[in-house]
Amino acid sequence: KAGVTQTPRYLIKTRGQQVTLSCSPISGHRSVSWYQQTPGQGLQFLFEYFSETQRNKGNFPGRFSGRQFSNSRSEMNVSTLELGDSALYLCASSLYGVPRDGYTFGSGTRLTVV
Amino acid sequence: QQQVKQSPQSLIVQKGGISIINCAYENTAFDYFPWYQQFPGKGPALLIAIRPDVSEKKEGRFTISFNKSAKQFSLHIMDSQPGDSATYFCAASFAGGTSYGKLTFGQGTILTVHP
Repeated sequence: KAGVTQTPRYLIKTRGQQVTLSCSPISGHRSVSWYQQTPGQGLQFLFEYFSETQRNKGNFPGRFSGRQFSNSRSEMNVSTLELGDSALYLCASSLYGVPRDGYTFGSGTRLTVV
Repeated sequence: QQQVKQSPQSLIVQKGGISIINCAYENTAFDYFPWYQQFPGKGPALLIAIRPDVSEKKEGRFTISFNKSAKQFSLHIMDSQPGDSATYFCAASFAGGTSYGKLTFGQGTILTVHP
């Protein structure tokens, strides 16, 4: 079966712009969570969506937001980009979002802010 | 109390050797401990996971050892192969509803297995 698909794979944006990243989960998976991966901070949880509702949120500023559509696809938006937002953004899908379900990660979107 | 500390940062092992990566946690409410493997250009992939009610879990060449009293757990890779060269992350989570989608990851260990 198809895995988790993230688009685009690479993005270069200018400081102050905004960006939208997309994630299509595995068919049948209803939970999508987002993570930021950087060399300094490692993998950090951003938020989780299930049935179009945000159920959990990490410790990131309000510039980071997301949404989920009725087909479980999810988008993540970052407004007013800062240099420090340069990172690999990963999404993970699972059946119900419970950690014991096991999360399947996509290959990520590499965002570079210049 | 939310942190998971992982060591070493990097590890070099000869083919056929044993690779050992250690993690420690503070929050005793954590009750699910997975290990993820990440290759360059890919997202992390679930390797093996353990609950605190067991002390060891083995899947093929990969074994998790869990010490609840010491709040430590480790990954052992037996007969390490060059194809095992990757970054390994330990993680922890809670069982409750506030854990939806959330894993707390260690900082990662870059494993290199020389042929």
